[in-house]
Amino acid sequence: GQNIDQPTEMTATEGAIVQINCTYQTSGFNGLFWYQQHAGEAPTFLSYNVLDGLEEKGRFSSFLSRSKGYSYLLLKELQMKDSASYLCAVLQDSNYQLIWGAGTKLIIKP
Amino acid sequence: DGGITQSPKYLFRKEGQNVTLSCEQNLNHDAMYWYRQDPGQGLRLIYYSQIVNDFQKGDIAEGYSVSREKKESFPLTVTSAQKNPTAFYLCASSAWEEGTRNEQYFGPGTRLTVT
Repeated sequence: GQNIDQPTEMTATEGAIVQINCTYQTSGFNGLFWYQQHAGEAPTFLSYNVLDGLEEKGRFSSFLSRSKGYSYLLLKELQMKDSASYLCAVLQDSNYQLIWGAGTKLIIKP
Repeated sequence: DGGITQSPKYLFRKEGQNVTLSCEQNLNHDAMYWYRQDPGQGLRLIYYSQIVNDFQKGDIAEGYSVSREKKESFPLTVTSAQKNPTAFYLCASSAWEEGTRNEQYFGPGTRLTVT
């Protein structure tokens, strides 16, 4: 079967660093996306990894290990506006469709 | 400004009525998608279309129908056959090019409540 697992909820402090993990078991793989979704709004693209390693983009970084079926999103210097859900999605290589995790709700406290 | 629009933002219907959700994009994307989002669950694909006049069923197509008569438009009809239609519906579009990541861009969503 196909499965993507993320923690349901995480809490962190403003100014700190948080790592959101995503593990996946899919029949095919053509890349992994991270999206941010504020409550009641549309998801917005954050990052894409297709090769193993770390991709850094400002305060956000994303890591992928294909052999372990594992990715994480690292958020540094947390701001209150980072309070949102973070969605992990795997792009299948069979039909180029995304399989989505349920998302991780990140709560930032002052 | 390029983007995706969905209307309306909130929609209320009585059980047994069909309802059509609008989705328009001016990003010149070939592919368009409809997802349903329920609390505690990932996005689930209802239908997708890679080209005008063609579309494919996703994982939960039962009780839904779509059309793709124009590149810019991909309306979704929620029929009375859909057993649990109350949900947040998201439309997305993407390029459809081999070798590129083809990230999906989302509209603001329509929250449908059926009573």
